[in-house]
Amino acid sequence: GEEVAQTPKHLVRGEGQKAKLYCAPIKGHSYVFWYQQVLKNEFKFLISFQNENVFDETGMPKERFSAKCLPNSPCSLEIQATKLEDSAVYFCASSRNTDTQYFGPGTRLTVL
Amino acid sequence: GENVEQHPSTLSVQEGDSAVIKCTYSDSASNYFPWYKQELGKRPQLIIDIRSNVGEKKDQRIAVTLNKTAKHFSLHITETQPEDSAVYFCAAGANRDDKIIFGKGTRLHILP
Repeated sequence: GEEVAQTPKHLVRGEGQKAKLYCAPIKGHSYVFWYQQVLKNEFKFLISFQNENVFDETGMPKERFSAKCLPNSPCSLEIQATKLEDSAVYFCASSRNTDTQYFGPGTRLTVL
Repeated sequence: GENVEQHPSTLSVQEGDSAVIKCTYSDSASNYFPWYKQELGKRPQLIIDIRSNVGEKKDQRIAVTLNKTAKHFSLHITETQPEDSAVYFCAAGANRDDKIIFGKGTRLHILP
């Protein structure tokens, strides 16, 4: 596709429940990035992939967060045992050559 | 790691006047500086970017300047219009890392 696609648009979870978010990068883009945008607008980098390989995971809270990009499937970001502070908009971005990043519409996660 | 500071946090400008947003970065290895515009509830959209081998780039009413020595870069919007109202983010990245580090955003209000 010509735009990064993300599903679902909104996700509501009770504290302690699991949340799974999906991202389909632009066709032909081999790099995928996940960012978390909290209420004060700040973006936090979580993880990046080059095709199905983790490229940089320095931003991931590893205890509860995991991510995958498998061939012929949307990429996914999973949060086990969600906490209130996980409430945010999660953006996926893709790039062709690790330079210009194009963002998806985001998934708004609300943890109650 | 990289740290990007952005000022001001809020900017109100009369329609037709110019708006300037300034950013500084800390990592001298950063060589890619995109600017994103984000409207309420929408994805960040790339409006202009500059690489470290140039000092200035212009696209219609938008221009970006880069001073590598001082580690600062600025966004200039001339002849502002109501549709320019949004939150603007500067960011910095280096090829070796590929993730981009965002500033905290500037909320731009265009006054009628």
